[in-house]
Amino acid sequence: GAVVSQHPSRVICKSGTSVKIECRSLDFQATTMFWYRQFPKKSLMLMATSNEGSKATYEQGVEKDKFLINHASLTLSTLTVTSAHPEDSSFYICSARTGRPPYEQYFGPGTRLTVT
Amino acid sequence: AQTVTQSQPEMSVQEAETVTLSCTYDTSESDYYLFWYKQPPSRQMILVIRQEAYKQQNATENRFSVNFQKAAKSFSLKISDSQLGDAAMYFCAYRSYPRATGTASKLTFGTGTRLQVTL
Repeated sequence: GAVVSQHPSRVICKSGTSVKIECRSLDFQATTMFWYRQFPKKSLMLMATSNEGSKATYEQGVEKDKFLINHASLTLSTLTVTSAHPEDSSFYICSARTGRPPYEQYFGPGTRLTVT
Repeated sequence: AQTVTQSQPEMSVQEAETVTLSCTYDTSESDYYLFWYKQPPSRQMILVIRQEAYKQQNATENRFSVNFQKAAKSFSLKISDSQLGDAAMYFCAYRSYPRATGTASKLTFGTGTRLQVTL
């Protein structure tokens, strides 16, 4: 299947700093990318949907100014957690979807963010 | 809005045996996809199987098969000849797909079922 990479896989940052997570579709063009957050032993919670070249659509309750999403190309989307706080510590997963039926959606390996 | 329910938080199966994971969903749409994803300890989400709602035939992928009951809005996953590598969280997911327009919506996940495989 298609490959989606995420970088970094783990990151530790200090409270108040910002951290950027990259998501790349390696062998296909992703017209749509998704960012999820997953708490321990819980399901994936969709944070936002981004389409290449346009603004991301955020789910209710997700602060768009805190979680900045950029989908600058058909193979790259970034999530920037601004002014991170310990409660932002979590597992973040990106996903990329092809632009043709059956609109297969592939997931990245995730990024573990720890804010100290 | 669509909802996906997995009523079994945890299941256990002996190696080489068969186990069935349950999933029900609620939707008013007629055109959609249903998925089972596996999330092993590595936390990489892996697509196990996909079912298109307009297809009556149940999808199968090697040892994995589904029982899709559209009228009952039920979509169970059967794992045959269970292996230690099958131990993981399994998520059922729904996605609407209006064939006429070709657009696809976001995935809606269930809460997951943790499958243990014992020797």
